[in-house]
Amino acid sequence: DTGVSQDPRHKITKRGQNVTFRCDPISEHNRLYWYRQTLGQGPEFLTYFQNEAQLEKSRLLSDRFSAERPKGSFSTLEIQRTEQGDSAMYLCASSLTATGNTEAFFGQGTRLTVV
Amino acid sequence: AQKVTQAQTEISVVEKEDVTLDCVYETRDTTYYLFWYKQPPSGELVFLIRRNSFDEQNEISGRYSWNFQKSTSSFNFTITASQVVDSAVYFCALIRGDDKIIFGKGTRLHILP
Repeated sequence: DTGVSQDPRHKITKRGQNVTFRCDPISEHNRLYWYRQTLGQGPEFLTYFQNEAQLEKSRLLSDRFSAERPKGSFSTLEIQRTEQGDSAMYLCASSLTATGNTEAFFGQGTRLTVV
Repeated sequence: AQKVTQAQTEISVVEKEDVTLDCVYETRDTTYYLFWYKQPPSGELVFLIRRNSFDEQNEISGRYSWNFQKSTSSFNFTITASQVVDSAVYFCALIRGDDKIIFGKGTRLHILP
């Protein structure tokens, strides 16, 4: 296993378009996180899954954002009607944990630019 | 509420100097975990260390060392004999029990040759 994989690495889209990102976690990792990072800031929590269950969604996340992890393996993050403020790096991480006491491994991220 | 504060936004030191990155956290839980991650220019977050709230023993790994003090809610990170390759953004993070990871805003470290 080569680690957490994210696709695409870069995405440029026009304002108003929908985009979808994919994350493949490390095999057998039961927890999967999505974070957003803007320039000069730390990763900002978006949502996370334990297996296929979405445990929490940030209140900062508008209804335009949705995430799924249908079979408890890969996950997708969709942004509908993109806005320029959505431009950021979207990070996915996974960990093998039920109690949160192990480190999360991060993918290389998907950089979204909304023009 | 949980919070992680990294007061140092940016630090510059000359190569071979020692440098300490500060991290102060807030949580009401007695069981929690602290982490440090490194983000080099390539962008990928690299895990460095995990420490649980019941283990205050300091740790050393090569040129890296960590000082965990519950009395001051701090988890500081020291790089000894810094090298140019240490230049990166460093994030301190906190997780309590079965919850999400909370990150600080990071400290950008410049090691000057």
